[in-house]
Amino acid sequence: DQQVKQNSPSLSVQEGRISILNCDYTNSMFDYFLWYKKYPAEGPTFLISISSIKDKNEDGRFTVFLNKSAKHLSLHIVPSQPGDSAVYFCAAKDSGTYKYIFGTGTRLKVLA
Amino acid sequence: NAGVTQTPKFRVLKTGQSMTLLCAQDMNHEYMYWYRQDPGMGLRLIHYSVGEGTTAKGEVPDGYNVSRLKKQNFLLGLESAAPSQTSVYFCASSLGQGGEAFFGQGTRLTVV
Repeated sequence: DQQVKQNSPSLSVQEGRISILNCDYTNSMFDYFLWYKKYPAEGPTFLISISSIKDKNEDGRFTVFLNKSAKHLSLHIVPSQPGDSAVYFCAAKDSGTYKYIFGTGTRLKVLA
Repeated sequence: NAGVTQTPKFRVLKTGQSMTLLCAQDMNHEYMYWYRQDPGMGLRLIHYSVGEGTTAKGEVPDGYNVSRLKKQNFLLGLESAAPSQTSVYFCASSLGQGGEAFFGQGTRLTVV
């Protein structure tokens, strides 16, 4: 039973446009949500996060939105750059066990 | 500051052989995790530890054992390797509570 779902395996966006990556979750015990970026042959690197008590967090070109009632979060990248091409993982932290549960990832390709 | 270091980076095992993957972190983090990454499956939690001397099962623990004898080290063991354990293994650590998990660079394991 997948608790964190990323239903889009891939996404292609033109350089300069907005990239929107989506993530859904099922567990109400998640209190912290994160986005990681992963390049081939490297470990995932932290990108941005949001606490469950907030609905938006912004860091430069990256904004994460959280809709608790829908159990949905999204990552917006504006403007998208070719260097943003990578696999993006959504993750959620369980407040009881401190486990980080990851989604299956979305491969973003930004076209120049 | 090395962060999270995994040893080895690559390994080829024959079915039935055993091995241990080592993870070391120098950030004084309480929490450590072992994940495996497989195509289309994202990052799946194998085992984790909330402190020295403690371990707990994650989503896919079967066929693996772990030990956390020292706070800075988290070992992942395969007692009798199987081809299904061919994967890329990532170790991570975190402070717990809020905050992100930091990942190592990964170990690519092939079981033939």
